[in-house]
Formats: sequence, C-alpha cells, structure tokens
Amino acid sequence: AQKITQTQPGMFVQEKEAVTLDCTYDTSDPSYGLFWYKQPSSGEMIFLIYQGSYDQQNATEGRYSLNFQKARKSANLVISASQLGDSAMYFCAMYSGGGADGLTFGKGTHLIIQP
Amino acid sequence: DAGVIQSPRHEVTEMGQEVTLRCKPISGHDYLFWYRQTMMRGLELLIYFNNNVPIDDSGMPEDRFSAKMPNASFSTLKIQPSEPRDSAVYFCASSLFAGALNEQYFGPGTRLTVT
Repeated sequence: AQKITQTQPGMFVQEKEAVTLDCTYDTSDPSYGLFWYKQPSSGEMIFLIYQGSYDQQNATEGRYSLNFQKARKSANLVISASQLGDSAMYFCAMYSGGGADGLTFGKGTHLIIQP
Repeated sequence: DAGVIQSPRHEVTEMGQEVTLRCKPISGHDYLFWYRQTMMRGLELLIYFNNNVPIDDSGMPEDRFSAKMPNASFSTLKIQPSEPRDSAVYFCASSLFAGALNEQYFGPGTRLTVT
C-alpha cells in the first residue's frame, strides 16, 4: 500500500527566505506520480507541481520546484523567495496505480510566512 | 472553464437528516473523485468514477454513504442518516485521465456540519 509522510506539522519562515517542505513516500509500483497541493485558509485545494517517477529532471513551476530523490523516496517542495501569500497548508500526494486511481495524501504542513 | 463546481459550499444539518452534496466536474474529464477531509484523518478518497461508472468505493465509510453519477456532468454524494462524525469538508475532484501523469482538479469543497 502506498504511504505519504510529511514530518513537519508546522513551519515558520521569514518572508523572502526559501522554504523546503519535506515529503517521503512509499510504494512498490515503479510508475507513480507525486503532487503538491496548497490549501489556503479559504479551503480550496490548489495544484502546485507534479513529478513523475520516470522524469529525469526535477519539476519546476515558477517559484516552486520539486527536489525529487528517487533512491531516498523523497519529493520535497522548495518555494523560493517566500511571500506572505504563501502561508497555507501544503499537502504532498501520490498516485501509484495498482488499480486505484485516487491520490494518497500526507497529513500536510502548515506554513506560516512572517514579515 | 469554470473549474469543478460544488454545492452547497456550507451545509448545517441535524443528526438523522439526509444530506446531498453535488458536484459538476470539468467538461471532458472522464474521472470524478470524492474526498473527505477531517482533522483526524486528513484527506481520504471515498469513491471515484470513470465515465460515470463507480470504480472503487472501498473508501466509503459505511452504508449510510452513497454516490451516484447519472451523467458526465453531475455527481451526488448522499449521507442518510447523517451523524455528527460525518462533519468534514467534502471535496470533489476531476481529471482527464487516470494515472501517474494526471493532475486532479479540486472543487472548492462543501463544509458539512452535523449537529
């Protein structure tokens, strides 16, 4: 069974600093996808970035990048030059096939950006 | 595109009442997912549909929960009778395909409170 672990329940970061949110995963399927979603206080789930297990390069989307270390089974989200609007819950999620097409989510990290 | 639409956004009901949550997926998306988010259990997949057919309902907590997708543009999640422990945010998500390369787009969620 697949599992996502986010070990940081909460983080405080100074504005403009870079942030790394940790995510480790466990799956026996060679084909899988890793996703990061942002959930601001308003409650919606916003897709940020995706990494496929066969991708050779780390994914990047604007200020977001994914530090994918396959051997370590980690997929950390890096936010460069953090902004106050980055304050939110961040969820790491995985799709790993095997007939189940839903996403498995981690417990999330509550990120607070301080001015 | 308007994105995934859910209604109502908030629902307050008394224990024992029937609750119906509604979802309109993004046009052209073949997959529809229902998730539930609680503080204790995080985000959990309840059920998902492919081309209007329920594929996996193993996440549905008990027989009080049922979901239907009568056509490609509409799905319902029904709880009958509702109980206080059903209080949660219920998300609907849709995707074009399933699989590791596939992003799921989430609706704004329905916050259900059962008193």
